[in-house]
Amino acid sequence: AQSVTQPDIHITVSEGASLELRCNYSYGATPYLFWYVQSPGQGLQLLLKYFSGDTLVQGIKGFEAEFKRSQSSFNLRKPSVHWSDAAEYFCAVGHANTGNQFYFGTGTSLTVIP
Amino acid sequence: DAGVTQSPTHLIKTRGQHVTLRCSPISGHKSVSWYQQVLGQGPQFIFQYYEKEERGRGNFPDRFSARQFPNYSSELNVNALLLGDSALYLCASSWDGQLLLSSGANVLTFGAGSRLTVL
Repeated sequence: AQSVTQPDIHITVSEGASLELRCNYSYGATPYLFWYVQSPGQGLQLLLKYFSGDTLVQGIKGFEAEFKRSQSSFNLRKPSVHWSDAAEYFCAVGHANTGNQFYFGTGTSLTVIP
Repeated sequence: DAGVTQSPTHLIKTRGQHVTLRCSPISGHKSVSWYQQVLGQGPQFIFQYYEKEERGRGNFPDRFSARQFPNYSSELNVNALLLGDSALYLCASSWDGQLLLSSGANVLTFGAGSRLTVL
């Protein structure tokens, strides 16, 4: 069965520090991978996506993620966190055969302290 | 360019009632998907519609139904509301019903959601 695991429910980092959010997936085929961000009371905004090719993908707001097939992981990183990055982050997987049926993780809540 | 718009933004219902949520996709997008996000959880797929036809359905009871209109807008209907139906209902649109291989164009764009509270 398809599943997405985000092992960290909540992370606190200092402004300016680096960030890594973990995502592991279980999928029967090579998936399409996504990271979305959700601010309080808002919908989901796409940060970045991986479909194929280069396993290191760049996104908006200075985020990047690396697809590691051997580890079934797609971790999100940012070298220097800004206070405005405080939000909920969701990893999601999809596949060409399942259309727009994405599987989301339970999310990681990020707090940024000054 | 307007994004995905959803209405109403907030609503309160009581158990047993019926609710209709509405979604207007981005202009030019032909596919609409619905997701349910319970507090503290990630979104769960409910339905996908493309060109007015159901393309996919998640693991939800028959109390949940949806349809897509000729202008590609969509409605999500939930009958016989239960307390557990309280959630943020997200609509997402995309150009096509399928993710295009190696394409950056066809991704889901989400609306801000409709917050349903069932008392």
